[in-house]
Amino acid sequence: QVQLVESGGGVVQPGMSLSLSCATSGFTFSLYGMHWVRQAPGKGLEWLSLIWYDGHDKYYADSVKGRFTISRDDAKNTVSLQLNSLRAEDTAVYYCARDRSTYSSSFGLDSWGQGTLVTVSS
Amino acid sequence: DIQMTQSPSSLSASIGDRVTITCRASQSISTYLNWYQQKSGKPPKLLIFGASSLQSGVPSRFSGSGSGTDFTLTITSLQPEDFATYYCQQSYGLAGFGQGTNLDI
Repeated sequence: QVQLVESGGGVVQPGMSLSLSCATSGFTFSLYGMHWVRQAPGKGLEWLSLIWYDGHDKYYADSVKGRFTISRDDAKNTVSLQLNSLRAEDTAVYYCARDRSTYSSSFGLDSWGQGTLVTVSS
Repeated sequence: DIQMTQSPSSLSASIGDRVTITCRASQSISTYLNWYQQKSGKPPKLLIFGASSLQSGVPSRFSGSGSGTDFTLTITSLQPEDFATYYCQQSYGLAGFGQGTNLDI
């Protein structure tokens, strides 16, 4: 079955960096676009970033553009998110999620990890 | 950026009720609209994609409709496990979510 497992969360000071990873299994990773979505405590969902199935195109929400970088390793079936210049408002549970359809990001996110908590605090 | 606005932000209902949640896009998104259910401490679950297509394994009491800018999620005959928070998400441009609708008893 499809599985996504995030790791790398923790407590960091403002201005510091963190690297999140999402290990996947149970599907042909190289055929799917992958996303990162976060949820601040008690708040709604915020889409952060997308990397296309072929890794050639990457997109970011304005709130993280220039600070976060998405990447993928098809050999290891993993997608990563590098978080730089972290702020208190980046405190959230970070989820990785898979596009529902191969080669397309138009039909929702059908598989999600359990999330990893990032806390930015001095 | 495309803004998604859900209403109501919270809703109280009873077992067996029929409820409707509305989502409005700031510009036309055709039918590139998806609905999710999230329970406390869990990741979201895809319910509806393409505005009206039921995701595999989702009960048929869930349905979606709409196109352009106005969309609805309808749950007929509410069950205890349906009390959760619901989000719409557009996939026409860069993905964006509505602010959520909390459905409680």
